[in-house]
Amino acid sequence: QKEVEQDPGPLSVPEGAIVSLNCTYSNSAFQYFMWYRQYSRKGPELLMYTYSSGNKEDGRFTAQVDKSSKYISLFIRDSQPSDSATYLCAMSVITQGGSEKLVFGKGTKLTVNP
Amino acid sequence: KAGVTQTPRYLIKTRGQQVTLSCSPISGHRSVSWYQQTPGQGLQFLFEYFSETQRNKGNFPGRFSGRQFSNSRSEMNVSTLELGDSALYLCASSLEGLAGGLPDTQYFGPGTRLTVL
Repeated sequence: QKEVEQDPGPLSVPEGAIVSLNCTYSNSAFQYFMWYRQYSRKGPELLMYTYSSGNKEDGRFTAQVDKSSKYISLFIRDSQPSDSATYLCAMSVITQGGSEKLVFGKGTKLTVNP
Repeated sequence: KAGVTQTPRYLIKTRGQQVTLSCSPISGHRSVSWYQQTPGQGLQFLFEYFSETQRNKGNFPGRFSGRQFSNSRSEMNVSTLELGDSALYLCASSLEGLAGGLPDTQYFGPGTRLTVL
């Protein structure tokens, strides 16, 4: 079982829809939970991060973490064509050497149709 | 402030050759991490350099190596290329890097698309 599982999609929704993107994980040691957005031919950019169970809002985006179920979600309200991208979840863990590394999901490709 | 730059953007090599990729981090950033991105495996961590020292390493064979210079610029080398090395190689820089505490935002470059024939 991979440490982080993410449905690759693709996911296609009409403009204005609410989008739900999800990841599950197996490593209880993960500390921070992040969502990155990657446009075609670009590198990923950080959208949001959180470290505790619950919800965190930032504009149209809401990140949700449920540590008991090892499940994280990203909700996008009032989705726009400009939200069309690949969304990657990422989680950080402290290595044996005491430093931190990121583990990424494979990404979900989202298309928002006008 | 200029973002992370990577050169070259595209590269075609044949099996058995070696390749060197370059990354210039954002000014003031001391940590540089390298990732390999493929459709099958997603984004996988290769290694991280901080102040010219490799601080973290992923699960890749020794054919993959890197280094960091005193100006924080970093290079990644892959020797004896295999077909499976075809991927997008991404570099990310951050101020302090992956060293605990609050997550230190990583800023990614556009990547180098490597094709091995």
